[in-house]
Amino acid sequence: GENVEQHPSTLSVQEGDSAVIKCTYSDSASNYFPWYKQELGKRPQLIIDIRSNVGEKKDQRIAVTLNKTAKHFSLHITETQPEDSAVYFCAASILSDMRFGAGTRLTVKP
Amino acid sequence: ETGVTQTPRHLVMGMTNKKSLKCEQHLGHNAMYWYKQSAKKPLELMFVYNFKEQTENNSVPSRFSPECPNSSHLFLHLHTLQPEDSALYLCASSQTLTQPDTQYFGPGTRLTVL
Repeated sequence: GENVEQHPSTLSVQEGDSAVIKCTYSDSASNYFPWYKQELGKRPQLIIDIRSNVGEKKDQRIAVTLNKTAKHFSLHITETQPEDSAVYFCAASILSDMRFGAGTRLTVKP
Repeated sequence: ETGVTQTPRHLVMGMTNKKSLKCEQHLGHNAMYWYKQSAKKPLELMFVYNFKEQTENNSVPSRFSPECPNSSHLFLHLHTLQPEDSALYLCASSQTLTQPDTQYFGPGTRLTVL
């Protein structure tokens, strides 16, 4: 089955800096890659996603890149703000079978 | 925030108790999921239902028993649980299983097994 590795497990940045979180997956058949943000005590919420026919997608300060050949994808957050502090999860899926990374705890220091 | 709801939000039970978790989605979706979220571990997919039919059971112990009476409601019946079953149980829904689709999560039930 699919195996998703996520790094780093914790990330601390200064407000205004960029943050990058990387994930790798094992099953080349995976074709959908969402990123979720989970604030303390709250549900995971989708922040951006990318499908396997696209290499890059951007939404304001958030961007995701996908390298199908290398089987890795990354989340980029620019101009970080304290409210970006949360746990971020990547996932890779084939239809309903969605496998998640272990999460990255991002702390943005004011 | 009200698209997928879960009750109760918190549950404490003994190992001999029987309890049920409830999930309801108001998004008109056809697929529903149960996940287990433990500290420092990836979200673990437990069960998948599509149009009320179970399509996936990821080797979940029989002390967890799902029920999906219709496309909007999903239950997880619990009996003779173990302390290691303590976790956050998340329900999710998506429009379909026939193509990759966004899953929307409920707020979760924080379960503690004594």
